[in-house]
Amino acid sequence: LAKTTQPISMDSYEGQEVNITCSHNNIATNDYITWYQQFPSQGPRFIIQGYKTKVTNEVASLFIPADRKSSTLSLPRVSLSDTAVYYCLVGQPMKTSYDKVIFGPGTSLSVIP
Amino acid sequence: GAVVSQHPSRVICKSGTSVKIECRSLDFQATTMFWYRQFPKQSLMLMATSNEGSKATYEQGVEKDKFLINHASLTLSTLTVTSAHPEDSSFYICSARTGILDTQYFGPGTRLTVL
Repeated sequence: LAKTTQPISMDSYEGQEVNITCSHNNIATNDYITWYQQFPSQGPRFIIQGYKTKVTNEVASLFIPADRKSSTLSLPRVSLSDTAVYYCLVGQPMKTSYDKVIFGPGTSLSVIP
Repeated sequence: GAVVSQHPSRVICKSGTSVKIECRSLDFQATTMFWYRQFPKQSLMLMATSNEGSKATYEQGVEKDKFLINHASLTLSTLTVTSAHPEDSSFYICSARTGILDTQYFGPGTRLTVL
């Protein structure tokens, strides 16, 4: 499983765009990149998943450069309710042999009024 | 999206007792479920992988005789913490993998406090 590196914490004001970058230098050819969000005392919630270039959904965008050694989760116009821990994970979710997910320390995002 | 439930959400027990936590996939069949433990201000730590109809695979350092996992059906997995001690107090989270996209969906977690 590819190891990931993220900033431990970030602060942002309400209404700003927040970009959280994750490094995964040893990502494998078949690996996908998945981001989860976790609020205190709750289970992680799936946010977005991608393989290359750009993926966008109603919650966030995911930017992946051509070399795929990093990825950036972009949260547009954050609000106080976006204060949470964000985890970047790398693996092969499409394979039936994909058997576990290892969480790194994540990025603790604090949104300030 | 897929929904995973856990029961109970919170449990307090005396040292030496056993506690059972249930994890259910409500609207899909999960061939594989995972159990995690999370201590305050720390990341999730994978404890074991549970496959329906077979024995669970435990991560290194996790005692299989202490943390009994049963995955009797495609929608239910249980974790039993046997002879619980205060150091077992933690937030236990399960997840289930759908068969289509293989994305993991997580339950809301169970807060265990051992007195």
